[in-house]
Amino acid sequence: SAVISQKPSRDICQRGTSLTIQCQVDSQVTMMFWYRQQPGQSLTLIATANQGSEATYESGFVIDKFPISRPNLTFSTLTVSNMSPEDSSIYLCSVKLAGHTDTQYFGPGTRLTVL
Amino acid sequence: AQSVTQLDSHVSVSEGTPVLLRCNYSSSYSPSLFWYVQHPNKGLQLLLKYTSAATLVKGINGFEAEFKKSETSFHLTKPSAHMSDAAEYFCVVTGTDKLIFGTGTRLQVFP
Repeated sequence: SAVISQKPSRDICQRGTSLTIQCQVDSQVTMMFWYRQQPGQSLTLIATANQGSEATYESGFVIDKFPISRPNLTFSTLTVSNMSPEDSSIYLCSVKLAGHTDTQYFGPGTRLTVL
Repeated sequence: AQSVTQLDSHVSVSEGTPVLLRCNYSSSYSPSLFWYVQHPNKGLQLLLKYTSAATLVKGINGFEAEFKKSETSFHLTKPSAHMSDAAEYFCVVTGTDKLIFGTGTRLQVFP
């Protein structure tokens, strides 16, 4: 597997502000993903973070609201923009490792509360 | 299209008794299937995965799951529950480069 870290681990933010979440992996990965887990819910894929190009967003998620960067093979950021209380969730990054085909490994998550 | 259904939103067992968490899947091709566990305030940990090798898959912490194509099921079992098993469990099927998550089963373990 891999060691995946996320910063911050949690934050409390005011409505209308933005928060950038970082995801760092200790080895090179083939793919990186961002998920949202709303309170008491399962995980929903936000987007696939592509190295050196625009992320691929799932239906219902747009770049203006969730801009994503992936400048290299081991690092990605997700920004939650113009936040509202409905954005309160856990945001998780995950990775696929070379040679591990379908398996994704998850970071510890960032717990976001928007007031 | 691929989908997964977890049949129980909550399961309660006594410590030392068997655990059964049920999962049914739908897939238009031979899928990969996973069980992940999420302990309170933690990220997701991979318990086990099925990728068309042996139909009985052994995972970490004494868990195992059996792939039954005829029943389109991938139920998770453990012979004897431990207090530390209390968590949320997710059954997952692969889509096209994506994971499709079930709605989760919360396992409670009573002493």
